[in-house]
Amino acid sequence: GENVEQHPSTLSVQEGDSAVIKCTYSDSASNYFPWYKQELGKRPQLIIDIRSNVGEKKDQRIAVTLNKTAKHFSLHITETQPEDSAVYFCAARGTNTGNQFYFGTGTSLTVIP
Amino acid sequence: SAVISQKPSRDICQRGTSLTIQCQVDSQVTMMFWYRQQPGQSLTLIATANQGSEATYESGFVIDKFPISRPNLTFSTLTVSNMSPEDSSIYLCSVVRTSVADTQYFGPGTRLTVL
Repeated sequence: GENVEQHPSTLSVQEGDSAVIKCTYSDSASNYFPWYKQELGKRPQLIIDIRSNVGEKKDQRIAVTLNKTAKHFSLHITETQPEDSAVYFCAARGTNTGNQFYFGTGTSLTVIP
Repeated sequence: SAVISQKPSRDICQRGTSLTIQCQVDSQVTMMFWYRQQPGQSLTLIATANQGSEATYESGFVIDKFPISRPNLTFSTLTVSNMSPEDSSIYLCSVVRTSVADTQYFGPGTRLTVL
């Protein structure tokens, strides 16, 4: 099946700075890459996603880039705010494995006021 | 989005017993999944719940331990059988509404503690 790696595992930034989280995947057939934000005690919430026919997608302060050749994708958060503090998970969905989603190990982001 | 509910929201169980978790969606969905999330860890896919047929289990998970039912397109159950303290975790169901739209939504989770 798919193997998704995520780095870093923890990230601290000053408020207003940018944060970047990177993921790699192993299955070249994967075609959909969502990012989830999970606050303590809550369910994961989708914040942005990208499909394999697109190289970059942006939604306000959040952007995701995808490099299919290298099989990696990244989450970029600009102008970070304390409410951005949470655990972020990347995921990959393949078409060869029954459309299941496989998750990275998570990044705990702390935005320091 | 999809409105997903899970029952129970939490439970404390004795070793050797079984617990069935229910997942209900407000509309028909194509795919339903069950995940486990241990404290401070990522989400691990247990199985895909298939409507009208046996679930598809991921490596390391077996039907005898985690029997799953999906009698229709809006409901699924996961049973954690013969529980041990190592089964203490949060169990989440998730859904994908259609095979065209990829967005996966999660239920609120069931926090299970096994003593």
